Amino acid sequence: DSGVTQTPKHLITATGQRVTLRCSPRSGDLSVYWYQQSLDQGLQFLIQYYNGEERAKGNILERFSAQQFPDLHSELNLSSLELGDSALYFCASSVDPSSSIQYFGAGTRLSVL
Amino acid sequence: EDKVVQSPLSLVVHEGDTVTLNCSYEVTNFRSLLWYKQEKKAPTFLFMLTSSGIEKKSGRLSSILDKKELFSILNITATQTGDSAVYLCAVLETSGSRLTFGEGTQLTVNP
Repeated sequence: DSGVTQTPKHLITATGQRVTLRCSPRSGDLSVYWYQQSLDQGLQFLIQYYNGEERAKGNILERFSAQQFPDLHSELNLSSLELGDSALYFCASSVDPSSSIQYFGAGTRLSVL
Repeated sequence: EDKVVQSPLSLVVHEGDTVTLNCSYEVTNFRSLLWYKQEKKAPTFLFMLTSSGIEKKSGRLSSILDKKELFSILNITATQTGDSAVYLCAVLETSGSRLTFGEGTQLTVNP
C-alpha cells in the first residue's frame, strides 16, 4: 500500500456526463500528480499541483480540470465525456517537487458508455 | 519531446531464468530514471537512478544507469511467478514535475 488513496475505484458513466475523481496524497506529501493510462497511449502525465498551486501541465484536455484543496487532497474533474476518455486515472504524490520518487494510488477505472 | 523506449515489449520465461529489461531515453533536462512494477493496478516503485555506473540492488532485482549512452537495464535473477508484471521505466526532468513513461515490458514467468 503506497499510502495514496483514490476514490472511487470504478466509475461507469455515459457520454456527455461529468465526473469527479478524488485523491488523498500520502501523509506529509505536498505535491500531487495526475496521470491517464489508456491501452493505446500508456501512462501520460496530465497535471501537477504543489501545496494548492498548479505547477505543471501535460497533455490535459480543456474539458478536464483539477484542483488541490487546503487539506492537500486533489480532485480531477472530467466533463463532456467521450468514449475515448475511458481509461485508468492515477494519482501520485511526492514530498515536494524536488523529490524524484512519486508514489501511485490504485487508480480509478473510468468507463464511458 | 521527451521519449522513453523499452524493450522487449513482451517476454515469457520459465521460473529460475534470468531476465534483462532495457530502457533507452531522450530527455532534454534529465534528472533521474525510475523503474516501477505494475501488477494489477498501481505502479509500485522499485528503483531510482541518478548517477551513472552505480548499481542499485534489492534482493533478486538490480538496475544500472548509463548517462553517456542514455539507457538503463533492470535485471531479475532466479525469476519467480510472482515477478510476472509490467515493468515500467520512467524519466524525470529537472523541474521535478512530469514523469515520462515508456510503454512497459510485460514479463510472464511460467512455473
